[in-house]
Amino acid sequence: ETGVTQSPTHLIKTRGQQVTLRCSSQSGHNTVSWYQQALGQGPQFIFQYYREEENGRGNFPPRFSGLQFPNYSSELNVNALELDDSALYLCASSSRQAPDTQYFGPGTRLTVL
Amino acid sequence: GNSVTQMEGPVTLSEEAFLTINCTYTATGYPSLFWYVQYPGEGLQLLLKATKADDKGSNKGFEATYRKETTSFHLEKGSVQVSDSAVYFCALSLLTGANSKLTFGKGITLSVRP
Repeated sequence: ETGVTQSPTHLIKTRGQQVTLRCSSQSGHNTVSWYQQALGQGPQFIFQYYREEENGRGNFPPRFSGLQFPNYSSELNVNALELDDSALYLCASSSRQAPDTQYFGPGTRLTVL
Repeated sequence: GNSVTQMEGPVTLSEEAFLTINCTYTATGYPSLFWYVQYPGEGLQLLLKATKADDKGSNKGFEATYRKETTSFHLEKGSVQVSDSAVYFCALSLLTGANSKLTFGKGITLSVRP
């Protein structure tokens, strides 16, 4: 069974740029959630995707957007990067049979200079 | 709103000591409760979960019991090892329609000395 994978591992961008992060869900999982984890903090929910549609969103501005593809993989896009966007971005997947149990990938460390 | 409160850290223990990490929650409804562990430089790993009152989750020697009357889900281990050194997060999940977002506490760093 393949776990959740994310790419890239690390990324450095400058303020104002745009970034795309990628996630492949665990096999058999059709729901993907994204979280932002600032240094020393717990993860914060960004949004969730199911059947290629956004299915719930946290308190993040519209410049955070996402996509889910027919194979259940997902992208997180962030436009107009700000210094405070520097964080570990975590993707998690879950199945419809156990929607409350999410399995996380290793994360993408984004640094905005 | 929903929230999770964890005890302040960090926690430093000697190997084979008893571990308790406190977690309390506030939720509108009946959440599922989780403990996740994060090793240095890695993502989060699900450690254990409980989905209803009085359920006990257990894994790798860790245990936590869902206490509805005290809205708590404290993590315990009888004898910690150096390899247990990590950050531990308590979290809850409430199914709202088909949305199942996790709400996390701030996490607590555990260091175990040989």
